[in-house]
This record gives sequence, C-alpha cells and structure tokens, in this order.
Amino acid sequence: DIQMTQSPSSVSASVGDRVTITCRASQGISSWLAWYQQKPGKAPNLLIYAASNLQSGVPSRFSGSGSGTDFTLTISSLQPEDFATYYCQQANSFPSTFGPGTKVDIK
Amino acid sequence: EVQLVESGGGLVKPGGSLRLSCAASGFTFSSYSMNWVRQAPGKGLEWVSCISSSSSSIYYADSVKGRFAISRDNAKNSLYLQMNSLRAEDTAVYYCAREPNHIAVRGTFADHWGQGTLVTVSS
Repeated sequence: DIQMTQSPSSVSASVGDRVTITCRASQGISSWLAWYQQKPGKAPNLLIYAASNLQSGVPSRFSGSGSGTDFTLTISSLQPEDFATYYCQQANSFPSTFGPGTKVDIK
Repeated sequence: EVQLVESGGGLVKPGGSLRLSCAASGFTFSSYSMNWVRQAPGKGLEWVSCISSSSSSIYYADSVKGRFAISRDNAKNSLYLQMNSLRAEDTAVYYCAREPNHIAVRGTFADHWGQGTLVTVSS
C-alpha cells in the first residue's frame, strides 16, 4: 500500500501569509494527488485534483504542484476562512490513502 | 445541486452489524463511482471502500475487508455499506463521497461529500 506523509503537522500563520504544505508518497504516484480542506464538524472540500488542477469554485489563492512522490499545496495569501485542516490523498491506486493532515491555525 | 445524504448510523455493540445508506440527488448517479470514507473522532480521514458505476469493480481498505460490503442500487439512486463484525475501532463518522467522472483516475478521489453519519461501536 502507498503511505502518505504530510509536513508540517501544524502551522501557525497570520492573515496574508503565504503557507506551503508538503505531501510525500512512499512510492511514485505520477500526478494522482488530491488536496482537501476540512473545517471542524464539516465534510472535506476538494481543493485540487491531479496535483495541480483547481477544483471549480475554489479561490485562485490555492495552488498545487508536484509529481512522482513530492507535492505541495500553497495558499498564496491566507484568509480568515482558510484556517482549517488540509489533507492529501493519493488517487494512483487502491487502496486509496490519505495523509495524516496539516492543521493551519491562527498565529 | 449535488446532494448526498447518509443515514443509518447509531450505537451498536461490538460484533454487531449496521447498514448505512446514502441517498444521491442532483446528478446522474448511475454514471459515477462512489466511495465511503470514515473519520474517527478527532482523527484523520480513512478511505473505506469504492464501487464503480455499474458495480463491476469494488475495492476495500484492508481494515474492513471481509467485514464490510459496499453496494448500490442505481434505480434508487442509493449507495450502501453493510458493516458486520463491528469493532470499537470502527467508531467514526462515515461519509458518502462521489468520484468525479471527467477524469480517468486510476485510484479514486472525491468531489462531493455528504454530511456524514456517526457510527459508535461500544458495549
């Protein structure tokens, strides 16, 4: 099975900051990676698919990059509504696997 | 508008069974693969199972293989998860989630999620 790791596990940031989250796969997954945002008590929300494709309706301050084993999610200018937990998921093969999550909170 | 509404969660004793349902609307259900994803209290997301649009392909996480069974009824726009031999570690919110069909993904991911239903396994 493909294992997913994320770093950092948490980050404290201020409104307007640039935030970068890293996701690493235990083996190559081409560009088959998705990123989600989840707020407390809510379902996850798809942000990015196929590593760098912005899901419809998602603000352009979110971007994704990477291929193979190393991926990044960048929030170019953090907004108050962006404080949440972010997960990556590999979509290369079954069983599908998620990263452990990165919590973005207020500094 | 895409809507996914889960039901069937509740309190069950270890070793017991439960059947979750997910009612889909706002899209052509029979054209999409569907997933179950769970989240234990205070923990991260765990993919559970996926079923293709025609039920021809089914996949499970190792943690539920042999105990859970995913199924669908395209005539009723419904997805199901039959959960048997439940354990305390199966306690979680279970989400129904739709896999987009505009991209030929090799595994799966989800573009729409339900609000989840809580399953608690405890004596």
